[in-house]
Amino acid sequence: AQSVTQLGSHVSVSEGALVLLRCNYSSSVPPYLFWYVQYPNQGLQLLLKYTTGATLVKGINGFEAEFKKSETSFHLTKPSAHMSDAAEYFCAVSANAGGTSYGKLTFGQGTILTVHP
Amino acid sequence: DSGVTQTPKHLITATGQRVTLRCSPRSGDLSVYWYQQSLDQGLQFLIQYYNGEERAKGNILERFSAQQFPDLHSELNLSSLELGDSALYFCASSETEWGKNIQYFGAGTRLSVL
Repeated sequence: AQSVTQLGSHVSVSEGALVLLRCNYSSSVPPYLFWYVQYPNQGLQLLLKYTTGATLVKGINGFEAEFKKSETSFHLTKPSAHMSDAAEYFCAVSANAGGTSYGKLTFGQGTILTVHP
Repeated sequence: DSGVTQTPKHLITATGQRVTLRCSPRSGDLSVYWYQQSLDQGLQFLIQYYNGEERAKGNILERFSAQQFPDLHSELNLSSLELGDSALYFCASSETEWGKNIQYFGAGTRLSVL
């Protein structure tokens, strides 16, 4: 069974500072990896995904993430935080080898990002 | 706008009642997913349909059922409601049945059971 751990339920940064949100996964084979963002009272929006190829993935709003197979990690970063980045961020995995999981997404518990002026 | 439409946005009902949540997927998407988001359980996968057929099932309660219709819209039926069923229910859709594809999420239905 797959699982996702997001270290830190709350992360607080100053505007202009580096954002680092951590995600580790557990899976028998490397899964597909996703980061979603949820703004208050809204649905989830995809930030970026890793399926195959280059392990450094760039997404929307200046975010990027690096897939590290040896560390089973997919941490999300942004060089300079903006006030509009304040939201909850979810790391998710899905199976890449077919099987009975089909498209099921398994989510981490989420990290609330606060950005201080 | 993700292109996924969920209705209603809010539902307030009493324990023991039955409700139906509706989802219209993005144009061209054949797969529909249902997720439950609550404070204690986080985001949990409930069930997936692809082109009218059930594909994957999560920890969905027996009191809950879903279906996908020929026009590809989906309904999630929740019966014998309990206080603990209060949550945000999301529908998502994707192009195929497999995990490689992006899932696009609706804005959710907030269910309050009183």
